[in-house]
Amino acid sequence: EAGVAQSPRYKIIEKRQSVAFWCNPISGHATLYWYQQILGQGPKLLIQFQNNGVVDDSQLPKDRFSAERLKGVDSTLKIQPAKLEDSAVYLCASSPTFQSQSYEQYFGPGTRLTVT
Amino acid sequence: AQSVTQLDSHVSVSEGTPVLLRCNYSSSYSPSLFWYVQHPNKGLQLLLKYTSAATLVKGINGFEAEFKKSETSFHLTKPSAHMSDAAEYFCVVSDRGGSYIPTFGRGTSLIVHP
Repeated sequence: EAGVAQSPRYKIIEKRQSVAFWCNPISGHATLYWYQQILGQGPKLLIQFQNNGVVDDSQLPKDRFSAERLKGVDSTLKIQPAKLEDSAVYLCASSPTFQSQSYEQYFGPGTRLTVT
Repeated sequence: AQSVTQLDSHVSVSEGTPVLLRCNYSSSYSPSLFWYVQHPNKGLQLLLKYTSAATLVKGINGFEAEFKKSETSFHLTKPSAHMSDAAEYFCVVSDRGGSYIPTFGRGTSLIVHP
């Protein structure tokens, strides 16, 4: 089966600009996650979707970050305006439905964002 | 509330010697626990998972982990390290009675010397 797709793979922007990342999960996976991974740290969950509903977005900086998952399939994460501290790898992951009792996550390759 | 603590930021071993990466967790519900591996410039990959079946879990590439409820631990082991095991390893906890929101540890960097 195809894996989790993310684009772009790399992005360089100047501070105060805006940027958007796209993720397409594995077909049939109901749960989708966005993480921020700063160099040398573990991934930090930004937002978790179950179908097109938000399960958790407690660590999403809502003044500048937004995410949506229209139709419960692919998703976009936006940053506007970007700050220097947003430089990180943004990871998307997906999981099968709850009924499968399988909560392991399948990760995409990530988008490396550099804010200058 | 849940949390996970990886007790070592770096572990250094010689090729052919045993590997032990330590993980302690805190969870309000019965947890699901996972180990993921991240090789340089590659994506995160699941090594193994515990979801309330057998407490000794076997994963890929010869790794295994034991769930010890009394010690709130889920340490990752391998009998004999290989050079290709050098990578970053993450322990993850997810509350099965809650919303299944995952929390990652800070990671342990495994260094394997020839």
